[in-house]
Amino acid sequence: SQTIHQWPATLVQPVGSPLSLECTVEGTSNPNLYWYRQAAGRGLQLLFYSVGIGQISSEVPQNLSASRPQDRQFILSSKKLLLSDSGFYLCAWRIGGRAGNSPLHFGNGTRLTVT
Amino acid sequence: TQLLEQSPQFLSIQEGENLTVYCNSSSVFSSLQWYRQEPGEGPVLLVTVVTGGEVKKLKRLTFQFGDARKDSSLHITAAQPGDTGLYLCAGRFSGYSTLTFGKGTMLLVSP
Repeated sequence: SQTIHQWPATLVQPVGSPLSLECTVEGTSNPNLYWYRQAAGRGLQLLFYSVGIGQISSEVPQNLSASRPQDRQFILSSKKLLLSDSGFYLCAWRIGGRAGNSPLHFGNGTRLTVT
Repeated sequence: TQLLEQSPQFLSIQEGENLTVYCNSSSVFSSLQWYRQEPGEGPVLLVTVVTGGEVKKLKRLTFQFGDARKDSSLHITAAQPGDTGLYLCAGRFSGYSTLTFGKGTMLLVSP
């Protein structure tokens, strides 16, 4: 069966420090991968998605970047965190290719607090 | 930018009551999904609807997709405390490959 791992679960970082959040998927090949941010337990904002190794699409210009160095690994990064980067970050995957209406499978998220 | 409105934003009811949550857009969805999220966890898919007028049932949950595919509703019968959570609708608009999420409805069911 497929599983998704996201870490760390919680993170407190000072303003101006770097960030690296990692997400890995097991049990599937060539998944579509996604990073979302959720503010205050509300709706999800799509930040980045990837349909293959080295391919990244950015939905919202911001202080963050993403990379996909391996097929089932997705990394969210920042060189210098801002207070506004605080939030709940969710990684998700779904079947790649012409997946149509296949569901998104989410990790358990990382709660990031920038102080 | 495609917008997706959910209502109500917050709902607090007693166990045994019925409720309906709505999801609306001015644009046509090619498909729509409902997710449920518990605190500290990621959302989990409940249902996908594709055809206008479609109705799907999942135990005490009934999902309906509007005939014009611009709206959807989630009806819960005889709510239980275990139904507590954030309910999110997510639509795929025609011509777009990614999902757009609503802001969610926070449901609290008290015993």
